[in-house]
Amino acid sequence: GEDVEQSLFLSVREGDSSVINCTYTDSSSTYLYWYKQEPGAGLQLLTYIFSNMDMKQDQRLTVLLNKKDKHLSLRIADTQTGDSAIYFCAERDDKIIFGKGTRLHILP
Amino acid sequence: SAVISQKPSRDICQRGTSLTIQCQVDSQVTMMFWYRQQPGQSLTLIATANQGSEATYESGFVIDKFPISRPNLTFSTLTVSNMSPEDSSIYLCSVARGTDTQYFGPGTRLTVL
Repeated sequence: GEDVEQSLFLSVREGDSSVINCTYTDSSSTYLYWYKQEPGAGLQLLTYIFSNMDMKQDQRLTVLLNKKDKHLSLRIADTQTGDSAIYFCAERDDKIIFGKGTRLHILP
Repeated sequence: SAVISQKPSRDICQRGTSLTIQCQVDSQVTMMFWYRQQPGQSLTLIATANQGSEATYESGFVIDKFPISRPNLTFSTLTVSNMSPEDSSIYLCSVARGTDTQYFGPGTRLTVL
């Protein structure tokens, strides 16, 4: 079945760039998403990319999609303490499948 | 985007009881979904709440355990029946906007003793 994999933890110094990686198996994915979940909160849709795009930029966020390798990444420029959260990668064909989430920890 | 509210935000329940979670959206939506997020885990789709017909359940989830109502295009309820400690999770309502975006409510944190 479909699967979405991402590393569980990432530590980054404040001010540096964070890069969160994700791989997926479903070649029929139409959209790929990044959601952010802060402690005790629901999921916030950060950004998404259509499967025929390679890149999408939105302020500090850059999404790169390598459809051949089924690899998706999220780059957060100038990482701030407020970026500390769990980031979920998700892909959609007929329904959305989520990865287990990457916990981003910001070092002072 | 969509503004989604859920009630209750959290609850602590006794084994064997049932809890009904409400989800309200600020505007009419066609597709509403219920997800479960077990501690430290990702989100798992429980069912799609269909307006005017029975919900569509994913593999491993059944109507007797998770009855769902969808009386109109802005409201849905999920009941967790005959609860056990294994049902302790965050339950999230979600809505689809168009064909590309999906938004989530703040979640209901359930603890079963």
